[in-house]
Amino acid sequence: QKEVEQNSGPLSVPEGAIASLNCTYSDRVSQSFFWYRQYSGKSPELIMSIYSNGDKEDGRFTAQLNKASQYVSLLIRDSQPSDSATYLCAVPGSARQLTFGSGTQLTVLP
Amino acid sequence: GAGVSQSPSNKVTEKGKDVELRCDPISGHTALYWYRQSLGQGLEFLIYFQGNSAPDKSGLPSDRFSAERTGGSVSTLTIQRTQQEDSAVYLCASSLGISANGELFFGEGSRLTVL
Repeated sequence: QKEVEQNSGPLSVPEGAIASLNCTYSDRVSQSFFWYRQYSGKSPELIMSIYSNGDKEDGRFTAQLNKASQYVSLLIRDSQPSDSATYLCAVPGSARQLTFGSGTQLTVLP
Repeated sequence: GAGVSQSPSNKVTEKGKDVELRCDPISGHTALYWYRQSLGQGLEFLIYFQGNSAPDKSGLPSDRFSAERTGGSVSTLTIQRTQQEDSAVYLCASSLGISANGELFFGEGSRLTVL
């Protein structure tokens, strides 16, 4: 089983809708979780981090963590075409590196 | 510069040739990472440097791959006897310390094409 799994998509939502991106992880002792955004042809950038069960909100973005289910999600409210990108879930690996999922490609349709 | 700098941005080489990719991290960042991203795929960890500690090479896919970091700053990733499956974007990232807070700053990558 891969350490971090994401639905590869692609996921398309209309402008103004809520986009929901999901990620599961295998290491039960993981304590921190991260979402990176990667625009086409660009490098990843950190957009959200979450450490505790529950929700964490930052503007239009909400990260949700359920450690019992080993599940972390990212919700994007009022989606904009500029949100179109690949979203990568990341979890600290066994050797102090970040382990990334394969990413979910999101397209927000005008 | 203010960000992570990588060179070359693009490299086309013939199968069997050696290549060197360079990374100049953000000044003051003690941790440096190399990742590889194949087309449409996620990021594959290759190697990690932290200060003067021995590097974590657990992600290197074969002994054709090696990396060094001189003076705790600039890093070079070397791929010997390149193969077509080595074609990918090689991303370097740096951070202030271990990735406990997940804040990795990535360079723009070096796109390697092996013909």
